[in-house]
Amino acid sequence: QVQLVQSGAEVKNPGASVKVSCSTSGYTFTSYVMHWVRQAPGQRLEWMGWINAGNGNTKYAQKFQGRVTIIRDTSASTAYMELSSLRSEDTAVFYCARDSCSGGVCYTGAFDIWGQGTMVTVSS
Amino acid sequence: QSVLTQPPSVSAAPGQKVTISCSGSSSNIGNNYVSWYQQLPGTAPKLLIYENNKRPSGIPDRFSGSKSGTSATLGITGLQTGDEADFYCGTWDSSLSAVVFGGGTKLTVL
Repeated sequence: QVQLVQSGAEVKNPGASVKVSCSTSGYTFTSYVMHWVRQAPGQRLEWMGWINAGNGNTKYAQKFQGRVTIIRDTSASTAYMELSSLRSEDTAVFYCARDSCSGGVCYTGAFDIWGQGTMVTVSS
Repeated sequence: QSVLTQPPSVSAAPGQKVTISCSGSSSNIGNNYVSWYQQLPGTAPKLLIYENNKRPSGIPDRFSGSKSGTSATLGITGLQTGDEADFYCGTWDSSLSAVVFGGGTKLTVL
């Protein structure tokens, strides 16, 4: 079955960077776009950006532009999200989520498969 | 604050029906498809509705979606205690060039 399995929880100091992985299985990795979503404790979902796993093209939310980098390793069918210059407000669960459309972004906000989430705690 | 506006909470008795609204603008809901997600406590969101009113495989027909103008609605019939969760609407915002989500609605089944 289709699965997204994320890396484990992280604790980081303010100013550091974190890199979260999203390992996929059960489908053709390069046929879909992968999104990343942040959810601070008790807060709403917040879209961070996407990567087209086929051609590597990315798009980032303006709020995270300059701090977030999303890449993929097609040989490992894995996507990665790196967030730099961490601050306490970045303490959150980060999710990878597959776009529901194959072949590109559907611009619908429909994400059909989600990873289990990775808790990132930023604290000195 | 969120681009999409949802009521913070709704409640109803088991077996009853509830609706959750999601209000936006012409740059998002008015000209793009709406999705709905259910997030049970401590778990990842799950897609309930896509393209305004379509249900993914495995989602029961107790869940329905509709859209009119710049607002969308999620309906849940035959409420069960297991439906208690946070529900989020989401869509593409053409002006922001970003996926946007509502603030979430907590459903309590009394």
